[in-house]
Amino acid sequence: EGHLSESGGALVQPGGSLRLSCAASEFTFSNYAMNWVRQAPGQGLEWVSTLSGSGGRTYSADSVKGRFTISRDNSKNTLYLQMNSLRDEDTALYYCAKSRGGGDSTWYFDLWGRGTLVTVSS
Amino acid sequence: SYELTQPPSVSVSPGQTVIIPCSGDGLGDQYVSWYQQKSGQSPVLVVYQDAKRPSGIPERFSGSNSGNTATLTISGTQAMDEADYYCQAWDTTTVLYGGGTKVTVL
Repeated sequence: EGHLSESGGALVQPGGSLRLSCAASEFTFSNYAMNWVRQAPGQGLEWVSTLSGSGGRTYSADSVKGRFTISRDNSKNTLYLQMNSLRDEDTALYYCAKSRGGGDSTWYFDLWGRGTLVTVSS
Repeated sequence: SYELTQPPSVSVSPGQTVIIPCSGDGLGDQYVSWYQQKSGQSPVLVVYQDAKRPSGIPERFSGSNSGNTATLTISGTQAMDEADYYCQAWDTTTVLYGGGTKVTVL
């Protein structure tokens, strides 16, 4: 079925940068689109970004466009999220999630990691 | 901007049926998925493409979508079903979530 493990979360000051990583195992990583979804403390889910299996197509929420960049290294089975110009409202638990397949299935997330906590505060 | 609306909470007695609505303009024209998130845990996909269940999801979970409302139905609700439930849809290349519904099994 697969396994995802996020890392890289930390306390960072407003305006700072951070790079999150998501290590994937037990499935053919390059065959699937991957995603980042975040959840602010006590709040609901918010989609952040999606990247195709080949890395050729990206999609991002308006709230992070121009600040966050999703990327992947298929040789290392790892997904990344480069986060720049961080704001207080970016404070959240960041989940890595696997898409179920291609086409419409890109938008169904059938495997989630446990998340990594990003706190933006001075 | 497009929004998905869910009631904040619903309660159900064990063994009964609970229906969780998710509303949005023209939602019936899109595919909807549902996620279950138990306290302190990561979300789990329970329904996709309106009404399909991933392997391992019990048959008591079912979904439908028509008009402006999608629904997740849990039949014969069990104590283990107590959780937050989120609907999800996408608009071109943007993924949207409802605000979530907390299901309490009394």
